Amino acid sequence: DTGVSQNPRHKITKRGQNVTFRCDPISEHNRLYWYRQTLGQGPEFLTYFQNEAQLEKSRLLSDRFSAERPKGSFSTLEIQRTEQGDSAMYLCASSLVLAGTQETQYFGPGTRLLVL
Amino acid sequence: AQKITQTQPGMFVQEKEAVTLDCTYDTSDPSYGLFWYKQPSSGEMIFLIYQGSYDQQNATEGRYSLNFQKARKSANLVISASQLGDSAMYFCAMEDSNYQLIWGAGTKLIIKP
Repeated sequence: DTGVSQNPRHKITKRGQNVTFRCDPISEHNRLYWYRQTLGQGPEFLTYFQNEAQLEKSRLLSDRFSAERPKGSFSTLEIQRTEQGDSAMYLCASSLVLAGTQETQYFGPGTRLLVL
Repeated sequence: AQKITQTQPGMFVQEKEAVTLDCTYDTSDPSYGLFWYKQPSSGEMIFLIYQGSYDQQNATEGRYSLNFQKARKSANLVISASQLGDSAMYFCAMEDSNYQLIWGAGTKLIIKP
């Protein structure tokens, strides 16, 4: 399977704990995106990387959230001191941007986070 | 501001009938892309179809077609011969000048046997 993968698929944690999610993009893709989706809503953009550089962060991404893509391949999203409002589906997507054009963003299966 | 509007929160359709899901958009960029994604209850966002703003013909992918009316700023998804497996949330999205996707609120489609 050469699609986008995310781990874990589900995470239950207690309020105040830290959690980390991983995303492995399609191997030749240079862009990686993180989104958050709450029930009944469309995805909300959080941040994206071009290779290893984090180029934009949404204002939704408070200082408790940090994302990395150290070698331009997989990415991690960490949430510190989780709050119940962080409960959501966290989606990762990747795409290939070449010479000013972009191919489709392909999504992983998501990580469902529940903060108790 | 760029915006995607999906006015149908939910739809019920009889199996084997065609269904049209509405999407209107607002942008001042001359170049943009429009996408439709399907999200089953499992949660994965599945790409269905893409339409570029300069494409002369409406996009088609199997049973999916995109009814692109540029002057009206609409990009409706048409699913022909609906199947039970088509039951899912459907999202319309627009790619902005930074290649980021702006999403609509989605339409929940339920196919009745």
